[in-house]
Amino acid sequence: SQQGEEDPQALSIQEGENATMNCSYKTSINNLQWYRQNSGRGLVHLILIRSNEREKHSGRLRVTLDTSKKSSSLLITASRAADTASYFCATDAREYGNKLVFGAGTILRVKS
Amino acid sequence: SQTIHQWPATLVQPVGSPLSLECTVEGTSNPNLYWYRQAAGRGLQLLFYSVGIGQISSEVPQNLSASRPQDRQFILSSKKLLLSDSGFYLCAWTHAYRGHSYNEQFFGPGTRLTVL
Repeated sequence: SQQGEEDPQALSIQEGENATMNCSYKTSINNLQWYRQNSGRGLVHLILIRSNEREKHSGRLRVTLDTSKKSSSLLITASRAADTASYFCATDAREYGNKLVFGAGTILRVKS
Repeated sequence: SQTIHQWPATLVQPVGSPLSLECTVEGTSNPNLYWYRQAAGRGLQLLFYSVGIGQISSEVPQNLSASRPQDRQFILSSKKLLLSDSGFYLCAWTHAYRGHSYNEQFFGPGTRLTVL
């Protein structure tokens, strides 16, 4: 079963705007991770936020985690055309052992 | 530094033919290894994972099998492909300590399989 659910499914913005993607999950987690996938390529890890953290930054990326609502958001500021990709959240939960459970992803298109 | 290789990059196979996809990792030891399948425009479905040589966990009943003959080699196989086996196959690894994964997964470039 799918642990993470992203929304929106697709997002189209202009270059320079901010992009926000959300992820909801169902069980208690150890950490939540965000990945990026360019079309036809493998996934690339972006950022990991642990269950005891509320916010994390990496360059133009900002991730928040609300364990009470079982949700996370990924904010990309000052978007660029090169940010066009699919973005996935993945949850690491004790009950899932050594596995990550991925959501269906958000397709982001940044128009120049 | 660690690298992960997958081959072939693309594959077109007839229904009923066998399959062998290979994944190798360099620059680390005792990794946990994973095979995922991704349908077009969809998320990742975990197929198999391995915490050590010869140790394979299957996540979904299917036409595929996996083997780990060496520490850093993970193979996905089928004796007879079905149309539904078409998809994008991704191999991934993660650091592990005594079999337990931690932190992020590192993905290979993927294999695009089309079964006709």
